[in-house]
Amino acid sequence: DAGITQSPRHKVTETGTPVTLRCHQTENHRYMYWYRQDPGHGLRLIHYSYGVKDTDKGEVSDGYSVSRSKTEDFLLTLESATSSQTSVYFCAISGGQGIEAFFGQGTRLTVV
Amino acid sequence: AQSVTQPDIHITVSEGASLELRCNYSYGATPYLFWYVQSPGQGLQLLLKYFSGDTLVQGIKGFEAEFKRSQSSFNLRKPSVHWSDAAEYFCAVGVWSMKTSYDKVIFGPGTSLSVIP
Repeated sequence: DAGITQSPRHKVTETGTPVTLRCHQTENHRYMYWYRQDPGHGLRLIHYSYGVKDTDKGEVSDGYSVSRSKTEDFLLTLESATSSQTSVYFCAISGGQGIEAFFGQGTRLTVV
Repeated sequence: AQSVTQPDIHITVSEGASLELRCNYSYGATPYLFWYVQSPGQGLQLLLKYFSGDTLVQGIKGFEAEFKRSQSSFNLRKPSVHWSDAAEYFCAVGVWSMKTSYDKVIFGPGTSLSVIP
């Protein structure tokens, strides 16, 4: 299995608070992604990174920011959590063009 | 815009029966195509992928998929389903980003498979 670790695995937070999710990889892959999974929507791309300090927005980036200061770590921050951000968040990594993505185990976030 | 559709939200089959899950994509060039499976409470596991060449690709767990360019489809098949195949199945397409020279992966909404013993 690809070396991807997401933390925390579960989190409950209050509306309006900032939240940071961490994705750590040991594969030295260039590309890292954050997806959210919601019933009926599949996985939707939030942000992705194509190198250290190189990031770009996905299709549902509003309310989220990311940072990548090291190859192995990709952080997702909810600047001010809302109930609509209750979801399961998956981190993925990929080695490059056309190569499949490997997924972490997911983080279940509940915003109350 | 690129998109992936999976027309069947939920499918129920009997154990031992054959299975076909449908996937259609919208993309202007030849895409990279994937099928992933997700068991309850788990992450996603790659079943198979198509990049080029033979349009019939074999994957793990006895699955295969056929790429049909004329129909923009990449349907997943299995000749005999096992109870352990009950899961969520996602079709995905790799799309080219000119800005970053990189492929993003766009997922369909998923098909939930139930297997009757």
